[in-house]
Amino acid sequence: SAVISQKPSRDICQRGTSLTIQCQVDSQVTMMFWYRQQPGQSLTLIATANQGSEATYESGFVIDKFPISRPNLTFSTLTVSNMSPEDSSIYLCSVGTGRAGELFFGEGSRLTVL
Amino acid sequence: KNQVEQSPQSLIILEGKNCTLQCNYTVSPFSNLRWYKQDTGRGPVSLTIMTFSENTKSNGRYTATLDADTKQSSLHITASQLSDSASYICVVSAANAGNMLTFGGGTRLMVKP
Repeated sequence: SAVISQKPSRDICQRGTSLTIQCQVDSQVTMMFWYRQQPGQSLTLIATANQGSEATYESGFVIDKFPISRPNLTFSTLTVSNMSPEDSSIYLCSVGTGRAGELFFGEGSRLTVL
Repeated sequence: KNQVEQSPQSLIILEGKNCTLQCNYTVSPFSNLRWYKQDTGRGPVSLTIMTFSENTKSNGRYTATLDADTKQSSLHITASQLSDSASYICVVSAANAGNMLTFGGGTRLMVKP
């Protein structure tokens, strides 16, 4: 299994500001993903964080709004830019170990935008 | 369009009782199906992962079944405990480039004493 640490665990932000969420894994992993979970909803994939290259974004998500970095095989960041109340969600980092397609999730970062 | 539908949306049971959660999917081509448990305020934790050839898989008091012909899965919880109160999410992986995952909406289970 993989141990995933996310920071911050929660934050309250003002409209128009940006917040960067960090994801640290205890081992090198091939695949890292960022998900959003809006209140009462299931998870939606934002993007796949690619090591050493630009992230691959899903439909409805763009790099200007959700810039992602992945400098190495154990670390990634997601920035939520120019926030609005609609961005209030839980943001989850996830990693794939490649073994039987297993996917592990961090504890999530709960973001509230006022 | 790939879809995963879960039922019921929410469920309340008494401690010690059994319950069954349902998952129907239209994901094609099918690769595997996973059940996750998500406690409130926590990230999802994997319970089981099943491939095409597996009909039943158990993890303690959790037993998942898969019928690939009818594209249905169930998660049976035996002798429920208060700690089983959580959301249970069914996730189906497609056997295509990128192994795209489709998430169900989840079933919110509450176990009452």
